[in-house]
Amino acid sequence: AQSVAQPEDQVNVAEGNPLTVKCTYSVSGNPYLFWYVQYPNRGLQFLLKYITGDNLVKGSYGFEAEFNKSQTSFHLKKPSALVSDSALYFCAVRPNNAGNMLTFGGGTRLMVKP
Amino acid sequence: DTAVSQTPKYLVTQMGNDKSIKCEQNLGHDTMYWYKQDSKKFLKIMFSYNNKELIINETVPNRFSPKSPDKAHLNLHINSLELGDSAVYFCASSQEGLAGDTQYFGPGTRLTVL
Repeated sequence: AQSVAQPEDQVNVAEGNPLTVKCTYSVSGNPYLFWYVQYPNRGLQFLLKYITGDNLVKGSYGFEAEFNKSQTSFHLKKPSALVSDSALYFCAVRPNNAGNMLTFGGGTRLMVKP
Repeated sequence: DTAVSQTPKYLVTQMGNDKSIKCEQNLGHDTMYWYKQDSKKFLKIMFSYNNKELIINETVPNRFSPKSPDKAHLNLHINSLELGDSAVYFCASSQEGLAGDTQYFGPGTRLTVL
């Protein structure tokens, strides 16, 4: 069975500073990894994914994530945070060889302060 | 144009009632899903369905049943509603075999059981 851990319930960062939202996973075989963002009272929006290839994945709104197989991590990063980035971020995983149902982490609330 | 839409957006009902939530996607995807997000924002997969297979998360009570009149629709029917069913329900869709099967989510339906 797969699992995802987002160890921080909340991350606080000042506008203009770099941000990191952490994610570690456990899955049988090779993973497909995803990041989604949820703004208040909205559905989840796809940000980026890792399928194969380059470990550094670039996505929407200037976000990127780095796949680290040895550390089983897929941390979300952005060089310069915006107040509008404040939202709930979810990491998700599924194995690349069985089924298509995602397992989500518990979510991390990102607060960017002016 | 909304890719994945759900109706209603809000649903308030009494315990014991039967209700349905509708989902439609215009992405031409062949797989649809239902997720439940509880009050702590934790997301859990309930069902995955395409024209070949229905996969049910074993923790979902059999009071919940997905119904798909066609490939573009997956409705969620709930019998004998309980207080614990109060949550936000998200529909999603993806195309099987399309590079990681990225799932696209609807805006959610907030169900309140009184």
